[in-house]
Amino acid sequence: AQSVAQPEDQVNVAEGNPLTVKCTYSVSGNPYLFWYVQYPNRGLQFLLKYITGDNLVKGSYGFEAEFNKSQTSFHLKKPSALVSDSALYFCAVRARNSGNTPLVFGKGTRLSVIA
Amino acid sequence: DGGITQSPKYLFRKEGQNVTLSCEQNLNHDAMYWYRQDPGQGLRLIYYSQIVNDFQKGDIAEGYSVSREKKESFPLTVTSAQKNPTAFYLCASSIGLPGQGQGRQPQHFGDGTRLSIL
Repeated sequence: AQSVAQPEDQVNVAEGNPLTVKCTYSVSGNPYLFWYVQYPNRGLQFLLKYITGDNLVKGSYGFEAEFNKSQTSFHLKKPSALVSDSALYFCAVRARNSGNTPLVFGKGTRLSVIA
Repeated sequence: DGGITQSPKYLFRKEGQNVTLSCEQNLNHDAMYWYRQDPGQGLRLIYYSQIVNDFQKGDIAEGYSVSREKKESFPLTVTSAQKNPTAFYLCASSIGLPGQGQGRQPQHFGDGTRLSIL
């Protein structure tokens, strides 16, 4: 069975400081990993994905994520946070050999960037 | 613009009433999905369909039904058997057919329907 854990319900960071939103996963075999962002009363917007190759993945809005196979982690990072980054962030996983089966999502982490 | 359209944005249901949530996509995606979102619980899968005229139950299918008669459309009916239907419902789609590397493709989401009980 596949699962995703986002250990922090809430992350607070000052504007201009680096941010990290944590994600660990469990899957049989190799994973495809995804990060999404959700603003209030909106759907999820895709930020970035890890497929294969370079462990550091760059995505939209200056976000990046680092895949660590030994720690089964895929933490989302940004060097300098903006107030507009305040939102709900979801990590998701899919086993590499599972076709287009649904993504399995974590419970989300609320990021609050304080001016 | 290509995308996923969910309607209505807000929906109210009376006790004992069935309601249908609409989801339409013009992305030519094969697979479509319905999730329910409750505060602090993340997204939970209700139903999904990988191809027209076929669908599978997700983790919380009880009290819901779906149909997939057209590639573009995947409506969700919340029946009176669903005792706690108040939630935010999200529809998603993704490229689907084998040989298209579908596993590595992200799901694209609509902007949701918020269902409340009167």
